[in-house]
Amino acid sequence: DQQVKQNSPSLSVQEGRISILNCDYTNSMFDYFLWYKKYPAEGPTFLISISSIKDKNEDGRFTVFLNKSAKHLSLHIVPSQPGDSAVYFCAASTISSGSARQLTFGSGTQLTVLP
Amino acid sequence: KAGVTQTPRYLIKTRGQQVTLSCSPISGHRSVSWYQQTPGQGLQFLFEYFSETQRNKGNFPGRFSGRQFSNSRSEMNVSTLELGDSALYLCASSLGGGGPGANVLTFGAGSRLTVL
Repeated sequence: DQQVKQNSPSLSVQEGRISILNCDYTNSMFDYFLWYKKYPAEGPTFLISISSIKDKNEDGRFTVFLNKSAKHLSLHIVPSQPGDSAVYFCAASTISSGSARQLTFGSGTQLTVLP
Repeated sequence: KAGVTQTPRYLIKTRGQQVTLSCSPISGHRSVSWYQQTPGQGLQFLFEYFSETQRNKGNFPGRFSGRQFSNSRSEMNVSTLELGDSALYLCASSLGGGGPGANVLTFGAGSRLTVL
């Protein structure tokens, strides 16, 4: 039972254009959402996050949008650069037990930005 | 400050053997989580330790176990290895509280396990 789904395993975008990565979730208890980026031979690194009380969060070229009614979030990268080529993981968080938070990750989307 | 360190980076084992992976978290981080990454499956949560106690556990068989030491360093063990255990095992550390900052995990580079 995948609670966080990234239905596009891969995405190719031309340099300078917008990259849109999508993520769907099923658990309405998720209250915090994050995107991580992973380069080969490295661990994932935190990129941007959004609380469930917001619908948009922006950080430079990266913007995350949250649509709670649709249980959908997306990551926009504008403009896309070749260095953005990586696997992007969507993650959702909820309080699991006591004060412990648990992250549930999607399966990832490989973004390739073509020069 | 030093990041999350995982050892070994690569290892090859045969079916039936057991393996122990090590993780040193960022100084001051009390929570250590372990994830398994396989192609197409993303990051599957194994377990999380906080102050030497397992707080959360994912849906993995009992062959997967872990522990955390008083200095927050953690180890995970997989016994009776199967071919399907071949994966990248990632360790991540965080402050571990209940607030949103606890979600910002810092990952190590991972231990690549190949089971033959």
